[in-house]
Amino acid sequence: DAGVIQSPRHEVTEMGQEVTLRCKPISGHDYLFWYRQTMMRGLELLIYFNNNVPIDDSGMPEDRFSAKMPNASFSTLKIQPSEPRDSAVYFCASRLTGNSYEQYFGPGTRLTVT
Amino acid sequence: DAKTTQPPSMDCAEGRAANLPCNHSTISGNEYVYWYRQIHSQGPQYIIHGLKNNETNEMASLIITEDRKSSTLILPHATLRDTAVYYCIVSAGNTPLVFGKGTRLSVIA
Repeated sequence: DAGVIQSPRHEVTEMGQEVTLRCKPISGHDYLFWYRQTMMRGLELLIYFNNNVPIDDSGMPEDRFSAKMPNASFSTLKIQPSEPRDSAVYFCASRLTGNSYEQYFGPGTRLTVT
Repeated sequence: DAKTTQPPSMDCAEGRAANLPCNHSTISGNEYVYWYRQIHSQGPQYIIHGLKNNETNEMASLIITEDRKSSTLILPHATLRDTAVYYCIVSAGNTPLVFGKGTRLSVIA
C-alpha cells in the first residue's frame, strides 16, 4: 500500500485566496483525521471522520475552514479566504477500527500564506 | 489538553539506551498508553502501545508502572536516526489521538 497520500506537498498562496488540501487515506481505513502543526501550537486535531461522516469538528479554528469526505477514498480541507496565520503543516491520518492503536500519517502539506 | 507530562528535551549517546519518561497520573482504566515519534518534517509514526503490561517490539520497549501513572519508552541501542520528537499519549480505543509537546530526543555521536 502507498500509505496516506496528501497533495500538494507544498502550497504558497496569497492572503485572501482559497486553498484546498487533499488526502487519500489507506484503502479500507474507516477513520480519517486532519491535523495542523505549528511551532507555537504543536500538533492540533482539526476534525475527524468515521465512515465518511464528520464526527467532531470542534478543532476547526473558524468558519473559514471546512472539510469534506465525499467517499471513502478522498477528503479535502478547504480554507477560504486564507490568512497568513493559517501558515502551517497540515497532516492527514487514517486508521482502521479494531486496529485503533495505529494512526497512519501522510507526509503533510506545508502551507505558506503571504 | 494533553493528559501527559514529558520532559521537553533529552540527549543520548549513540549506541546507548534511551529512556524516555512520561507521567500520566490521571489515566483512566480503559485508556491505553501510546508512543509516537516525529522525525523532522515527517508525519508522526507509531512506535508502541500498552494497557498495563510491559510491551516490546522491534523498535522499542514500553514499561508501565503497576499503578499505571507513569511509563518509560526504551530505545535499547539509540542511533542517530532515532533523533526525533517523541510523543506519549493516553487515549481510549476509538478516540482520536491528542498530541502534547513531546520530548525532543537528540542522539549524539
